[in-house]
Amino acid sequence: QVQLVESGGGVVQPGRSLRLSCAASGFFFGTYGMHWVRQAPGKGLECVAVIWYDGSNKYYGDFVTGRFTISRDNSKNTLYLHMDSLRAEDTAVYYCVRGTGHNYAYLDLWGRGTLVTVSS
Amino acid sequence: EIVLTQSPATLSLSPGERATLSCRASQSVSSYLAWYQQKPGQAPRLLIYDASNRATGIPARFSGSGSGTDFTLTISSLEPEDFAVYYCQQRSNWPPLYTFGQGTKLEIK
Repeated sequence: QVQLVESGGGVVQPGRSLRLSCAASGFFFGTYGMHWVRQAPGKGLECVAVIWYDGSNKYYGDFVTGRFTISRDNSKNTLYLHMDSLRAEDTAVYYCVRGTGHNYAYLDLWGRGTLVTVSS
Repeated sequence: EIVLTQSPATLSLSPGERATLSCRASQSVSSYLAWYQQKPGQAPRLLIYDASNRATGIPARFSGSGSGTDFTLTISSLEPEDFAVYYCQQRSNWPPLYTFGQGTKLEIK
């Protein structure tokens, strides 16, 4: 079954860290660019980060400002997002997404998301 | 940064009617535009890519058109399951990131 399953979300205090994971199955994970996309409650979609199929290139949304790190382990079919210095405005559902097309920019397979709540 | 503006914010129609959703870019994005559908409590789903190509498994009642700065998503005859929020997305060549429009909510009249 082709799917992405996120984990690691929860409630965290401002300034703390959190690591999200995404387990991929049913497709050749190591041949796709992968993304994290987030959606604040009741809001629209926002690109968090993208990583090339082999991990050679990584790009981040402007708001990340060095606080987040995307990584992947192709031997484990797993994508990660390490988030430091979390802020209240980082509260959102974080989706793991597969990319296709040029620069992997079209998002053709989405996980169900994991909710991150930053609150004291 | 390229800004995408979707209109209308809310569209109220009845099943069987034709829906026309608009997405305007602040500068040309060529044909590098996609459309997504999101239902409550679900992740988005890719409908259209490169402005006019339907993604795998998307019904033929969904079509996309446009290039440059003005794009349209058309649903020829609305089915009950089509009532949802629709987002457009553009990709830039460099850096390889992307932005989304603010969404159009398609609701049952």
